[in-house]
Amino acid sequence: EAGVTQFPSHSVIEKGQTVTLRCDPISGHDNLYWYRRVMGKEIKFLLHFVKESKQDESGMPNNRFLAERTGGTYSTLKVQPAELEDSGVYFCASSQDGANTFGSGTRLTVV
Amino acid sequence: KNQVEQSPQSLIILEGKNCTLQCNYTVSPFSNLRWYKQDTGRGPVSLTIMTFSENTKSNGRYTATLDADTKQSSLHITASQLSDSASYICVVSMNSGYSTLTFGKGTMLLVSP
Repeated sequence: EAGVTQFPSHSVIEKGQTVTLRCDPISGHDNLYWYRRVMGKEIKFLLHFVKESKQDESGMPNNRFLAERTGGTYSTLKVQPAELEDSGVYFCASSQDGANTFGSGTRLTVV
Repeated sequence: KNQVEQSPQSLIILEGKNCTLQCNYTVSPFSNLRWYKQDTGRGPVSLTIMTFSENTKSNGRYTATLDADTKQSSLHITASQLSDSASYICVVSMNSGYSTLTFGKGTMLLVSP
């Protein structure tokens, strides 16, 4: 069984640019989560999809972040325009019965 | 405020030795507590999950304990191996099913030969 796949693994962009992160969950997992770890801090929840619907997006930092999950399969997280404080590792996780499986993350650096 | 505090922040032990990592939480209402292992450059991998009624759970050389009254948990690693070097993260869930998780900052463990 393929795990949770995230792309790209690393991204370096300039402040003000746009970046789109992608997550492919485990096939058949209805739940998809986005998390972020800023350097020196703990991993924090961003949002939760159930199929294509946003169940909880209380962790999204501001309206520069847009997450989508069209068709209830893969998800994208767009940051536009990126700011320096957006740097960190963005993790995606999926689950069917509550046990989350995490991807390896996308390390985003905004310079 | 829901928080998960872990100690120590980092730890170095010799291969073959045992160690115990600590986790205190203030998350409420409590649903379950999970320990994850995160290797460098990888995502967290679940080691154990314990609900309110479970006091201990083992996964090979990893044994987790939970005291829901004092809101404390520990992860004991027996006969450490070099491959145990990783960050160990304590995570508490507030509700079952579709849940959000509160993460600790992790304990960075280095097992030295």
